[in-house]
Amino acid sequence: ETGVTQTPRHLVMGMTNKKSLKCEQHLGHNAMYWYKQSAKKPLELMFVYNFKEQTENNSVPSRFSPECPNSSHLFLHLHTLQPEDSALYLCASSQTGLGSPLHFGNGTRLTVT
Amino acid sequence: AQSVTQLDSHVSVSEGTPVLLRCNYSSSYSPSLFWYVQHPNKGLQLLLKYTSAATLVKGINGFEAEFKKSETSFHLTKPSAHMSDAAEYFCVVSEAQGAGGTSYGKLTFGQGTILTVHP
Repeated sequence: ETGVTQTPRHLVMGMTNKKSLKCEQHLGHNAMYWYKQSAKKPLELMFVYNFKEQTENNSVPSRFSPECPNSSHLFLHLHTLQPEDSALYLCASSQTGLGSPLHFGNGTRLTVT
Repeated sequence: AQSVTQLDSHVSVSEGTPVLLRCNYSSSYSPSLFWYVQHPNKGLQLLLKYTSAATLVKGINGFEAEFKKSETSFHLTKPSAHMSDAAEYFCVVSEAQGAGGTSYGKLTFGQGTILTVHP
């Protein structure tokens, strides 16, 4: 148990579908993150929420839409994705303050057909 | 701007022999540094962290890393490899974003080093 739970673990969707990824943390952290991990590429930071406010959007296409209703929950809404969006999507959380490590969930393996 | 370079994309060792995974970093400020491990189809697990205290940092599963400012390095070592150590390892540098009590770490990940352990 990592303290950060992501659902679903696997998702297959067509390019016209709408789906959502969910992340929940029980660690009392105030910052939450979405990362994309593709084969043979470094982890890409997508979004950061700090105290429920979005503080980072790393030039992510609008077909990815994050939502952070409270400090414990983070969603990533997906619509009209492309096959190149297939990847492992990782959620993480951290405490505030310099040097606070990120705690990661096990990720959602997304396949876009 | 911060960056991190993992010098080897693949490292192969025999079980029971030492492990060395190399990492160099660049940072404008005094950074925090981390090593994470990722087993197949899993998220990233924190192995150890350096945050300007002791330069030799001990982590979980017998791993340790030494912060060398003069060499801008943060290499990960383990005296004796175990089969369960086979995984991908990421060196990470972090600088604080925001201010005061609301700051958080903005992480930059290395490309990763895949460790293979042979029986």
